[in-house]
Amino acid sequence: GIQVEQSPPDLILQEGANSTLRCNFSDSVNNLQWFHQNPWGQLINLFYIPSGTKQNGRLSATTVATERYSLLYISSSQTTDSGVYFCAVTPGYELNFGKGTSLLVTP
Amino acid sequence: DAGVTQSPTHLIKTRGQQVTLRCSPISGHKSVSWYQQVLGQGPQFIFQYYEKEERGRGNFPDRFSARQFPNYSSELNVNALLLGDSALYLCASSLMGNTEAFFGQGTRLTVV
Repeated sequence: GIQVEQSPPDLILQEGANSTLRCNFSDSVNNLQWFHQNPWGQLINLFYIPSGTKQNGRLSATTVATERYSLLYISSSQTTDSGVYFCAVTPGYELNFGKGTSLLVTP
Repeated sequence: DAGVTQSPTHLIKTRGQQVTLRCSPISGHKSVSWYQQVLGQGPQFIFQYYEKEERGRGNFPDRFSARQFPNYSSELNVNALLLGDSALYLCASSLMGNTEAFFGQGTRLTVV
């Protein structure tokens, strides 16, 4: 099956710092999504981005499908950004998740 | 509009028992998928249903089964529960199965 690797696995930032999370995948995909999992376990949609670049406030994402990677940028981080960020890809129909990046933003 | 709703939110069961989890998709969505997430891992695919037909199944034993109803809601059943079935069970809704997926808040199952 397809492999999805996320880096770094853990990240600690001070409030206001910027960060880049990376997602590499091993095969062609139809779709790619970024999620933020809150402390209660719910997966919050951040981006649906099979290719190209999108921005939503302080967050932006870029997917280069031909090179099989995606990047999630978080600028001016806030404590509420803490949590686990997942990348998930769809080679067929089901989502294949990476192991996530655990982000802690400190005041 | 209501998002994806799952019930119950928490559940405690004894080894060997059976459990049924429920999911209502976003209105207009015809596909429901189920995922299992154990602590420290990303969600793992269990089933996908589209238009009431099973479209895909992950690497889970036959103790796991699911179905989708005419109103597109879905149930996940797990028989003969094991301690290792303790996990967060997530339901995802999408228009067609390979389009953007939206998740419910999950059902946290504890098997004792």
